[in-house]
Formats: sequence, C-alpha cells, structure tokens
Amino acid sequence: NAGVTQTPKFQVLKTGQSMTLQCAQDMNHNSMYWYRQDPGMGLRLIYYSASEGTTDKGEVPNGYNVSRLNKREFSLRLESAAPSQTSVYFCAIHSLDRDGYTFGSGTRLTVV
Amino acid sequence: GENVEQHPSTLSVQEGDSAVIKCTYSDSASNYFPWYKQELGKGPQLIIDIRSNVGEKKDQRIAVTLNKTAKHFSLHITETQPEDSAVYFCAAQSTGTASKLTFGTGTRLQVTL
Repeated sequence: NAGVTQTPKFQVLKTGQSMTLQCAQDMNHNSMYWYRQDPGMGLRLIYYSASEGTTDKGEVPNGYNVSRLNKREFSLRLESAAPSQTSVYFCAIHSLDRDGYTFGSGTRLTVV
Repeated sequence: GENVEQHPSTLSVQEGDSAVIKCTYSDSASNYFPWYKQELGKGPQLIIDIRSNVGEKKDQRIAVTLNKTAKHFSLHITETQPEDSAVYFCAAQSTGTASKLTFGTGTRLQVTL
C-alpha cells in the first residue's frame, strides 16, 4: 500500500484509555478517509476530510475525533476507548483526477 | 444515504471455474463502482472499476458489468487460480467533492485445487 502509512500496526488498549491513530500520505491527494472494518459489516466510514483544514462525519463517527492539520496527515483519536471500538482501522486517500482509493495497511486495535 | 448490498458472503470454487459476485445499490445518483481485493493482513486494493456510462469492462480474467436501470453490478472472475482467494468488496461512490465510497459487506472467495 505504497503512499499511505498508518501507525501503529497493532494496539491493545484498556477501556477508558485514549489514543491517536496516525495516517500520512506522500501522494499529494486532497481527500483522506478513516474507515473501520468489522467481520460481516464491510468497511464503514468514520470521518473524512475533503481538503486540508476540513473534516466531516461519516456513517459511524460517535466516539471518535479527527484532525487534518496539513495535507499529508489525518489522525483519528479515541478519547475514551470502549470494547465496541475493537476493530481494524484503515486510512484511505483519493484524488479527483484519478479513480479509486489507495488504502493504508491498517491498524488492528483491541480494547479490553 | 447510499446502501450497498453484496452477495454471496462466501464463495468456494474449484480452480479453473468462474466466480461471480453481485452487488446492488440504492442511490441512483451514484456514478462510480469500484471493486477491491483484500488479502489477509493487508488493506483493500483496487482491481477494477466501472463508471455509470459504461455497461461492461474487462481486464484479463476479470470483468465487471453494470445495469443502471436495475441498480446492480457484478464482478466476474474467469479461470480462477489459488491466488484469487481473498475477500472482495464492491463499492458505490456518491457524487460531490468528497467522493465518498460506500462499501458492500464483502465476499470471501476460496479457490480450491
């Protein structure tokens, strides 16, 4: 998944802890997205950013916050983690002048 | 908002056979329909896509068909090989500057020898 770097790759949190998932791109794309993937539910959009400095809610935003401080980076924050947030999180990027998303390799998060 | 349904959830075929995965969408304004392949431990990767002004598109062993009237599209894989085993997702893109994709729930394809 060249061009999109997600950190960390794995994380275990206790209920109530906070953490930030990082996503960085080197493809100069305007739009960035955070999805979560759960068994049998496909990929669901949490938040997205159409351009630097703008963010909008997706399908499942509750319990999350995001930050798009510059064009390269789009972070996802869990202020108080809950077991329901155990999932695999994917960051994706998109440019209007080409089709399709490019995905990162994912962050596997477990909340105990 | 857009809703995408995908069937079947699992599919097992013998090597050399064909595989077909079907999706339906709800928003008639959607105009872009990509298919992604996800291998174990990796992020989804775009394998083929189709726009609403085209009825069919082929790329070697993979083809996608679109029926706008019925609001459904399908992925066809011919001469399947073990390396085709993966999870496949269809998606539909809503119009607008954010180009949001709504995904189906995925199909786990197993190609057996």
